Amino acid sequence: SQKIEQNSEALNIQEGKTATLTCNYTNYSPAYLQWYRQDPGRGPVFLLLIRENEKEKRKERLKVTFDTTLKQSLFHITASQPADSATYLCALDLTGTASKLTFGTGTRLQVTL
Amino acid sequence: EPEVTQTPSHQVTQMGQEVILRCVPISNHLYFYWYRQILGQKVEFLVSFYNNEISEKSEIFDDQFSVERPDGSNFTLKIRSTKLEDSAMYFCASFERGYGGYTFGSGTRLTVV
Repeated sequence: SQKIEQNSEALNIQEGKTATLTCNYTNYSPAYLQWYRQDPGRGPVFLLLIRENEKEKRKERLKVTFDTTLKQSLFHITASQPADSATYLCALDLTGTASKLTFGTGTRLQVTL
Repeated sequence: EPEVTQTPSHQVTQMGQEVILRCVPISNHLYFYWYRQILGQKVEFLVSFYNNEISEKSEIFDDQFSVERPDGSNFTLKIRSTKLEDSAMYFCASFERGYGGYTFGSGTRLTVV
């Protein structure tokens, strides 16, 4: 079955720096790879989606890259702020047909002053 | 911005009792889902629903679980005879093609005692 690994359970960075989160998966590449933010006790909030034929996607301070050869996605938050502190989830949509998402365990990001 | 609404936010029930978790998806969405997240673990897919029928379900979604769309707005998850291990956050999500990501509700925290 598909396995998803996200780097270290927690990542601590200083305000203003760039946070880089990693998502590695096994087996076959998904049609779509998505990133979500989850705050404690809340549901995941969609941030960005990247398709298997795309290398990079940007939205404001967020950037996602997708390397199907390495089976890896990187998620970057530039000029990080304390308000960016949350858990970030990588999720795979294997077929791209509105089917299920398979989530990683998430990386908890803490941005300090 | 449109939201997925879930009620109740918290539910405490005795083992063996039936519970119904309720969701109001975004009105023009056609695809609906239930996910759960046991405390400290990853978000797990339970079931997807489209065109008034289940389109996919996971191994977790056994005979004790059922879903229903009783009218044009509500989407429910029923657990017939709850077990201690059913304690988790349950998230409803909806999706519409062209948007990108899935919209999740804030969840129902189910505690089985």
